[in-house]
Amino acid sequence: IAGITQAPTSQILAAGRRMTLRCTQDMRHNAMYWYRQDLGLGLRLIHYSNTAGTTGKGEVPDGYSVSRANTDDFPLTLASAVPSQTSVYFCASSEEVAGGHEQFFGPGTRLTVL
Amino acid sequence: GQNIDQPTEMTATEGAIVQINCTYQTSGFNGLFWYQQHAGEAPTFLSYNVLDGLEEKGRFSSFLSRSKGYSYLLLKELQMKDSASYLCAVKDSNYQLIWGAGTKLIIKP
Repeated sequence: IAGITQAPTSQILAAGRRMTLRCTQDMRHNAMYWYRQDLGLGLRLIHYSNTAGTTGKGEVPDGYSVSRANTDDFPLTLASAVPSQTSVYFCASSEEVAGGHEQFFGPGTRLTVL
Repeated sequence: GQNIDQPTEMTATEGAIVQINCTYQTSGFNGLFWYQQHAGEAPTFLSYNVLDGLEEKGRFSSFLSRSKGYSYLLLKELQMKDSASYLCAVKDSNYQLIWGAGTKLIIKP
């Protein structure tokens, strides 16, 4: 049982390039999330999906897009990377959005934009 | 605005007890979560409180007072492996988690 996987583990990217971070879960969870984590700040929600086929904007969505074509996959795309997008990106999932369902996190992608 | 406050760093001794506080101001409240995050790793779930009072789970306990916008995480019989960051998060009226910046706990022998 893998839980949530993310790829790549780390990446160095030139500014202006397009990049897709991959996220796959095998727990059949309805809800999925993308966060970024920066030193001294809490996890910040980029985009979320309450169920397959739907997505929503979080606290810091600018410069990012997502899709949720099926239950398992939730890729995050940076259309044209900028240095301020240097961060650690975590994908997470939960059974449902409401209630006390915990979020399970992937191992993270460390992204550096030069 | 929404705000979660917790101390940046705390130090404690192996075998002792430590209490990590969290205060919050959010638009709505649908529960409070505590997560543990070791350096370079992903956060992992520790506890969930939605009603006032204490929830105990082994060496870890979590307390909630909704009227005061306050929670704490209590860690007993500290072990070196408890050295980590502890993240407080509140589920708001939109069912999204608002996260504190985390408390780095340093355990000394």
